[in-house]
Amino acid sequence: KQEVTQIPAALSVPEGENLVLNCSFTDSAIYNLQWFRQDPGKGLTSLLLIQSSQREQTSGRLNASLDKSSGRSTLYIAASQPGDSATYLCAVRPGGTASKLTFGTGTRLQVTL
Amino acid sequence: DAGVIQSPRHEVTEMGQEVTLRCKPISGHNSLFWYRQTMMRGLELLIYFNNNVPIDDSGMPEDRFSAKMPNASFSTLKIQPSEPRDSAVYFCASSFEQGATYEQYFGPGTRLTVT
Repeated sequence: KQEVTQIPAALSVPEGENLVLNCSFTDSAIYNLQWFRQDPGKGLTSLLLIQSSQREQTSGRLNASLDKSSGRSTLYIAASQPGDSATYLCAVRPGGTASKLTFGTGTRLQVTL
Repeated sequence: DAGVIQSPRHEVTEMGQEVTLRCKPISGHNSLFWYRQTMMRGLELLIYFNNNVPIDDSGMPEDRFSAKMPNASFSTLKIQPSEPRDSAVYFCASSFEQGATYEQYFGPGTRLTVT
């Protein structure tokens, strides 16, 4: 059974810092991995999706990497801003045609002024 | 595109009452997912449909829960009778399952409180 872990559970950084969020998964047989952002009381917003054949994806100040063999992904946020404060979740989709995402427990990020 | 639409956004009901949550997926998407989020268990997949057909309902907690997708643009999740432990945020998501990425898009959720 796939298990997805995110460390740390919570993180507080001052504005302007670069930071890395970690996601690890136990079964390396994945089709892709998706990073989401969730603001308090809101739904999930997809940030980046990495296919199993890819090593990284970039969108603006965000960069996600994937090391499938070691079961790890990182989300790098450059020059953090208070507006980046949210919970970040990673989710893996298994190989094959199954559609079920397995979510991590999330990292709650606070960027302070 | 309006994104995934869910209604109601908030629902407060008394134990024993029937609750119906509604979802309109993104036009053109052929898969729809119902999730539940709680502090204790995080995000859990309840059921998902592909081309309006339920594919996997193994996450549905018990017979009190049922879901339907009568057409490609509408789905319901019903709880009857509701219990306080059903209190959670229920999300609907949709994706295009014949694409290369199968990226899922989430609705804003329905916050259910059962008293």
